[in-house]
Amino acid sequence: EVELVESGGGLVQPGGSLRLSCAASGFTFGTYWMHWVRQVPGKGLVWVAHVNTDGSTTTYADPVKGRFTVSRDNAKNTLYLQMNSLRAEDTAMYYCAREMVTFDYWGQGTLVTVSS
Amino acid sequence: DIVMTQSPDSLAVSLGERATINCKSSQSVLNSSNNKNYLAWYQQKPGQPPKLLIYWASIRESGVPDRFSGSGSGTDFTLTISTLQAEDVAVYYCQQYYSSPYTFGQGTKLEIK
Repeated sequence: EVELVESGGGLVQPGGSLRLSCAASGFTFGTYWMHWVRQVPGKGLVWVAHVNTDGSTTTYADPVKGRFTVSRDNAKNTLYLQMNSLRAEDTAMYYCAREMVTFDYWGQGTLVTVSS
Repeated sequence: DIVMTQSPDSLAVSLGERATINCKSSQSVLNSSNNKNYLAWYQQKPGQPPKLLIYWASIRESGVPDRFSGSGSGTDFTLTISTLQAEDVAVYYCQQYYSSPYTFGQGTKLEIK
């Protein structure tokens, strides 16, 4: 059974950093592109970033470019999102998602709150 | 960026009736080389992550009930629930995966009348 489990969220001050993790199981992790999508509570879905199968290619949404870094460790079946210079507008639930044509499996999410 | 616009923002339908949600993209998401529309539909229930319902505009994901169907091409798409069940109450999103950034519609909240 495919499972994606995010962790690492929490409360952080503006300007701070967090690293999110997404532990994958039930499939051959290293053969899928992976994505991060975020959602402000009560609002819509916003794509954040993706990484290709071996981690050599990454793409970011403009609001996070230069501040966030997506990476993966295929030996550990884990996807990461390093978030630096956090802002209040980064407050959201962060989901990791597997790409099979499009986002066919999602984790339950981890909540990031940026506030002083 | 491709802007996805859904209509209506909210919808109330009686049990057993048809629900129709529309999605319009600011540019075509049809790839002429393979004749595929890079358009998906998701269902999100409160406290849950989104669930993929439809991809390639009209292909149901495995396990999705056949009362859900997708149609359309180019820039105009529709999600139809043929006979509404109580468990279909949710927010529905369309999404284009034609080009990065992979954008979503604003969502349509479906309720029981």
